[in-house]
Amino acid sequence: GAVVSQHPSWVICKSGTSVKIECRSLDFQATTMFWYRQFPKQSLMLMATSNEGSKATYEQGVEKDKFLINHASLTLSTLTVTSAHPEDSSFYICSVRARGYNEQFFGPGTRLTVL
Amino acid sequence: DQQVKQNSPSLSVQEGRISILNCDYTNSMFDYFLWYKKYPAEGPTFLISISSIKDKNEDGRFTVFLNKSAKHLSLHIVPSQPGDSAVYFCACKDSNYQLIWGAGTKLIIKP
Repeated sequence: GAVVSQHPSWVICKSGTSVKIECRSLDFQATTMFWYRQFPKQSLMLMATSNEGSKATYEQGVEKDKFLINHASLTLSTLTVTSAHPEDSSFYICSVRARGYNEQFFGPGTRLTVL
Repeated sequence: DQQVKQNSPSLSVQEGRISILNCDYTNSMFDYFLWYKKYPAEGPTFLISISSIKDKNEDGRFTVFLNKSAKHLSLHIVPSQPGDSAVYFCACKDSNYQLIWGAGTKLIIKP
């Protein structure tokens, strides 16, 4: 499968600050990237889907102005949590998919803690 | 309305025995089905998948069965090993290549 990295793996920030999370596909041309979040003991929740060079498509209930997604290249997508609040504390995971493939390959996740 | 359901939040199995994880779906247009394994604080790892044109796919200790008429798929792990303890998610692919996820089943392998 594809090798996907996320940076940082863990971030603690103060309420009101913005946090950027990077997702890189190291050996795979990711035509589509997905961002998920997972609360403790809950399933994965898809936040948004982005195709390279296009604006991201956000799931219902996800604020696009709060969670800014940029998919600038076939190997990099970023998620910026703007003006983070404690309720944004969660585990954020990206996944990648190549055109014509069914499988998604996941990054290791980023633990965000907002104080 | 949940399109993909994993009705067992947890499952406990003795080491060496068979683990059977179940998943039900409602959308008959799903055409590809996947199982992922997830450890705490890590991203899911792809395990095994099956196309809607098949009813069985086997890979080592892992076998996925698909019953399209019942809209049911299952993952069999045999023999179960301690390292198999994790949360298992089933996912169903729609025509837009989106994966619709189940809530997960926590598998505990007892020594």
